[in-house]
Formats: sequence, C-alpha cells, structure tokens
Amino acid sequence: KNEVEQSPQNLTAQEGEFITINCSYSVGISALHWLQQHPGGGIVSLFMLSSGKKKHGRLIATINIQEKHSSLHITASHPRDSAVYICAVSIIQGAQKLVFGQGTRLTINP
Amino acid sequence: DTGVSQDPRHKITKRGQNVTFRCDPISEHNRLYWYRQTLGQGPEFLTYFQNEAQLEKSRLLSDRFSAERPKGSFSTLEIQRTEQGDSAMYLCASSFYRGNSGANVLTFGAGSRLTVL
Repeated sequence: KNEVEQSPQNLTAQEGEFITINCSYSVGISALHWLQQHPGGGIVSLFMLSSGKKKHGRLIATINIQEKHSSLHITASHPRDSAVYICAVSIIQGAQKLVFGQGTRLTINP
Repeated sequence: DTGVSQDPRHKITKRGQNVTFRCDPISEHNRLYWYRQTLGQGPEFLTYFQNEAQLEKSRLLSDRFSAERPKGSFSTLEIQRTEQGDSAMYLCASSFYRGNSGANVLTFGAGSRLTVL
C-alpha cells in the first residue's frame, strides 16, 4: 500500500462543476502539499498546509490531521484547470523530502 | 532569478550511453532535490543536497547514478550505461531550509525528459 493515496485517479467534468480530489496518507507528516502538473512536466505548488483550510482564488484545500486526509476543491471549474493534481506529504523523519501520490488527472470539458 | 532551471529539457540516447542533467536552483535556496517520474506515476525521491553535502540517497539510485552539487549551487545528475528502464522525467526542486522542524515549499523545475532507445 502506498503511503499516499489519491482518488479518483481520473476525473472528467463539465465546465462550472464543483470538483473534489481526495488524498489519504498513512505516515506522520509535518505538512501536506497540493501540486499541479501540466502536460510537459512542470510542477507548480498550489498549497502547503499542516492544519485547517487554505483558499486561493477558486481553489480550496483542507486537511484533517486526525483522519490523515486532505481534500482539494475547485469551484466553478474551467477548462484551463485541466491538469494532473498531485498530493504530496513532507514526512516528519524524512528531511522534508516529499512522498507523492500518483496524481489525479482532471479534465474539464467546455 | 527565474526559478529552477533544468537542462536539457529532452534527451534521447541509445542504451549504454552516459547522460548528464543539470539543475540550477533558485540562488538563495540551500536545499536541492532530485526526483524521477515515470508515465502516469507521481514523482519518486532520488536524492537531496543541503548546500554541497549529499545527505540522503534513495535505494532507487543504483550505482549507475551519481549526483553532485560541488559548490552548493547547481547540481548534476549523471546516469552511466543507460538502460531502457531509465526512461523517465527527471525533476529537480529546491527550497530554503531554515533549520526548523517545519516543512518548506519546494520550487520545481520543468524537468528533463530522458528517452533511452
């Protein structure tokens, strides 16, 4: 079993829909990261959080430390949101190197 | 400073050849990480440096792989005697570590895609 599990692996939705991507982890962490990767490889950090909730524009990330679970929400989704969204954790004993989930491929159709 | 730069962006080589990738991190960042990503998977940790010291290497990093960061600035990742299984995207990331116990945001480069024929 991977230390970081994401669901769903693939998600297709219509423009305007509310999107939720889930992440569960099984190790002790100092923080959880949500990252966005577009075709071609570049990874952009969206959020780093260790508790509660963060919001940036149409993106919202939440984390429940007790349940070892995080969600990434996208409101009013748009085709330009189409990308792979990756959950990663900074493990406490690991020099803050990231352990990644396998990613969720999101496609938003117009 | 335009972020983390990686070179080359794409490399196609024949099995058995040696390849070298270069990463230029954000100048004030003292930590530099190398990750490998295969198609459809999340990145996997390879190694990281704090300044010029290589502090950790993954078991994924076989003897054919070597990484250096000689002056604590840019880093190179060399793969000797490449195999088809080495085909992947090699990602570099950097961060500024303040010596605290908290996590730090990593800034990623665009990656170097290796294809071994």
